[in-house]
Amino acid sequence: EAAVTQSPRNKVTVTGGNVTLSCRQTNSHNYMYWYRQDTGHGLRLIHYSYGAGNLQIGDVPDGYKATRTTQEDFFLLLELASPSQTSLYFCASSDSVSGNTLYFGEGSRLIVV
Amino acid sequence: AQSVTQPDARVTVSEGASLQLRCKYSYSATPYLFWYVQYPRQGLQLLLKYYSGDPVVQGVNSFEAEFSKSNSSFHLQKASVHWSDSAVYFCALSMGTGGYKVVFGSGTRLLVSP
Repeated sequence: EAAVTQSPRNKVTVTGGNVTLSCRQTNSHNYMYWYRQDTGHGLRLIHYSYGAGNLQIGDVPDGYKATRTTQEDFFLLLELASPSQTSLYFCASSDSVSGNTLYFGEGSRLIVV
Repeated sequence: AQSVTQPDARVTVSEGASLQLRCKYSYSATPYLFWYVQYPRQGLQLLLKYYSGDPVVQGVNSFEAEFSKSNSSFHLQKASVHWSDSAVYFCALSMGTGGYKVVFGSGTRLLVSP
């Protein structure tokens, strides 16, 4: 069974604070993704990665950094959090064998006050 | 650039009725298309996917979808819905299977009334 684990599941931070969202996949997948989900927008791609050390820019990257340290681990960094980054964040993994089917974590809810 | 449009933000149907959730895409070539479902407080799960061949694809839980290149559509259908089908449904598009980014529509919230 594919597994993607996100932490923390819930986070509250203040404006200007630093936040790191973590994602670990045990699927042996090459590709990993960070999305944010907001009402009316569906899921929007922030960053994605083809493998350790690789980073690709998504559709809404402003204010976010990401780093893929290993095949398993993909981190999303908010260095100066703003209220507009209040959202539900999802990590996903995929590979060519699965036909680019995305396997999602359960999400990390971030509130920036 | 590729995009996905789900024109219905909310759909309400009675239990036992048939269902169609609409999805239109914009992409110059033949896309890889997906439908995902999101139950409350969970991540998204794959319902079905289309790459090529028979334009009608079967998925889990008796869902099916029909690809139409002429209409740039990939509508999701079910003959008889159950209350447990209440969820948010997302249509998605990818240009390929090699780590291409996956673009999602805005989602349709389905409510099945008793």
